[in-house]
Amino acid sequence: DVKVTQSSRYLVKRTGEKVFLECVQDMDHENMFWYRQDPGLGLRLIYFSYDVKMKEKGDIPEGYSVSREKKERFSLILESASTNQTSMYLCASSLGWGKGSYNEQFFGPGTRLTVL
Amino acid sequence: GESVGLHLPTLSVQEGDNSIINCAYSNSASDYFIWYKQESGKGPQFIIDIRSNMDKRQGQRVTVLLNKTVKHLSLQIAATQPGDSAVYFCAESNYGGSQGNLIFGKGTKLSVKP
Repeated sequence: DVKVTQSSRYLVKRTGEKVFLECVQDMDHENMFWYRQDPGLGLRLIYFSYDVKMKEKGDIPEGYSVSREKKERFSLILESASTNQTSMYLCASSLGWGKGSYNEQFFGPGTRLTVL
Repeated sequence: GESVGLHLPTLSVQEGDNSIINCAYSNSASDYFIWYKQESGKGPQFIIDIRSNMDKRQGQRVTVLLNKTVKHLSLQIAATQPGDSAVYFCAESNYGGSQGNLIFGKGTKLSVKP
């Protein structure tokens, strides 16, 4: 069973704080993704990574950065949290490109972040 | 419950009835499609997928139909149960495009009345 875990289920931070959201997968997947999910907007891709130390911007990267120092771990960083970053954050992983998988992504349970 | 279900199209069905959830996709070059189920407070879970060289695929109590002519995808759930209550997302991918990216629909909330 693929398991994707996220460091916190609920997080409350203050405006201006630096926030780290951690994601770990245990299936040796190449690709990892960070999404945010908001009512009426669905899942929006923030950043993704297809290899260690590689990162690509998604649809809404502004205000976020990421780090992938190890294959199993993908971190999302909010350098200076703002109230409009209050959201549900979902991490996902998938097999590498051309590895016989048609891009199925496995999701973690999500982190609900509230910025006050 | 989680606010992910707000402002979504909602389908309400009686327990035991069949459910049909529809999705229009955007890219005629998409060649892989997935349905995900998201229960309140949880991340999306894979239900079933289909490749563009097929027009129908069946799983346990679920069937996905693909109509490439009109870019339409549907998920049929047989004998719907209360545990099927969730938000359902379709997602499309162009396998020949960028690495592993899925484009998600906004979702449909399924409510099952006992």
